[in-house]
Amino acid sequence: SQQGEEDPQALSIQEGENATMNCSYKTSINNLQWYRQNSGRGLVHLILIRSNEREKHSGRLRVTLDTSKKSSSLLITASRAADTASYFCATDEGNTGKLIFGQGTTLQVKP
Amino acid sequence: NAGVTQTPKFQVLKTGQSMTLQCAQDMNHNSMYWYRQDPGMGLRLIYYSASEGTTDKGEVPNGYNVSRLNKREFSLRLESAAPSQTSVYFCASRRQGLAANEKLFFGSGTQLSVL
Repeated sequence: SQQGEEDPQALSIQEGENATMNCSYKTSINNLQWYRQNSGRGLVHLILIRSNEREKHSGRLRVTLDTSKKSSSLLITASRAADTASYFCATDEGNTGKLIFGQGTTLQVKP
Repeated sequence: NAGVTQTPKFQVLKTGQSMTLQCAQDMNHNSMYWYRQDPGMGLRLIYYSASEGTTDKGEVPNGYNVSRLNKREFSLRLESAAPSQTSVYFCASRRQGLAANEKLFFGSGTQLSVL
């Protein structure tokens, strides 16, 4: 089974609203990463949060990490139609070199 | 910089045929990865190479073999293709492997259909 499980699987919001996606995982990690995939394209890295960090910001992105609950969330504020994409969390096991992805959240932002 | 280059972009195989997917990176990265992506399944790790000269199984290695030809190149081989291997395959790389907190850079993918 996959390391990361994401919730919700699909999310539809209006432009200007905030979008929150959640990710849960099972094993110890060195860091957790979020990626974005536009339809038919490869994945692009958004943000990385280390296991000793609790919150990180990058532009309109805010990521939190709770290692006690083995969960993370990605918040996109003031969403735009161009944010329409699939978003994936990935857990980096560090000591093995493996990077395991969740199933993803498909976000639709309506103009 | 080309980044991560995958070839071919599209391929159609008949059941039982073999083929090799090629991946090359020009960023002097140590680690390379092969993933497959199926609808609703996210990305699943097939094999990875944490450093030149090493390869390890991922989540779904059955039916695949890999070769880390040199630091730049990491190929994925299907010896006897099956319809269940119809998928989009992504190659990725990153600068360092173990405990280094590095992000992945992805290729544009290979869409493979096995009839």
